[in-house]
Amino acid sequence: QVQLQESGPGLVKPSETLSLTCTVSGGSVSSRSYYWSWIRQPPGKGLEWIGYIYYNENTNYNPSLKSRLTMSLDTSKNQFSLKLNSVSAADTAMYYCAREFSGYDDYWGQGTLVIVSS
Amino acid sequence: QSVLTQPPSVSGAPGQRVTISCTGSSSNIGAGYDVQWYQQFPGTAPKLLIYGSRNRPSGVPDRFSASKSGTSASLVITGLQAEDEADYYCQSYDGSLSPSRVFGTGTTVTVL
Repeated sequence: QVQLQESGPGLVKPSETLSLTCTVSGGSVSSRSYYWSWIRQPPGKGLEWIGYIYYNENTNYNPSLKSRLTMSLDTSKNQFSLKLNSVSAADTAMYYCAREFSGYDDYWGQGTLVIVSS
Repeated sequence: QSVLTQPPSVSGAPGQRVTISCTGSSSNIGAGYDVQWYQQFPGTAPKLLIYGSRNRPSGVPDRFSASKSGTSASLVITGLQAEDEADYYCQSYDGSLSPSRVFGTGTTVTVL
């Protein structure tokens, strides 16, 4: 059974960098069959796709976040990561990592809440 | 701002049929991209409900069905049950800039 678990600081100051890691078990981030995604959800609002990374480190980012976003893979730890710089209160959200297969997310992490506040 | 529009809420009595629409455009659903549907209960991660516009993953009850036509898609719950009360999101790809995934605005289903 594939499981994903997000980790990272729950509080980030405005203008700083938000960094999150997703640890995958029961599957491999080196697999050519899947993309590894990030999705976020501001409190009380809808879902927003952030982007994904592929096993060869090719990425596809949401155009609205692209200038601030970096994703990476660590195959030795079976993890993938997200860095979003110059954050503001608008980046406060529940952040989910997920496995994407053929355009849909079949496994999701439980999510981690990140609050941007001084 | 989402490019896929859903009604904010729909409601129905137990046993009734409810339909959730997902309206897009020629750059997403109308371009032929598949539509997915997710179900989300409060405080939990979304769960895949429909993929490939009309396919149910193993374990999803057959009272959930979906279709796509033109620039829109629909999710139908036939025989609404109390445990179906949740938020529902459609999702597709949009090719207007670089192909990127987009979610719908979300619909809350209330069982009366």
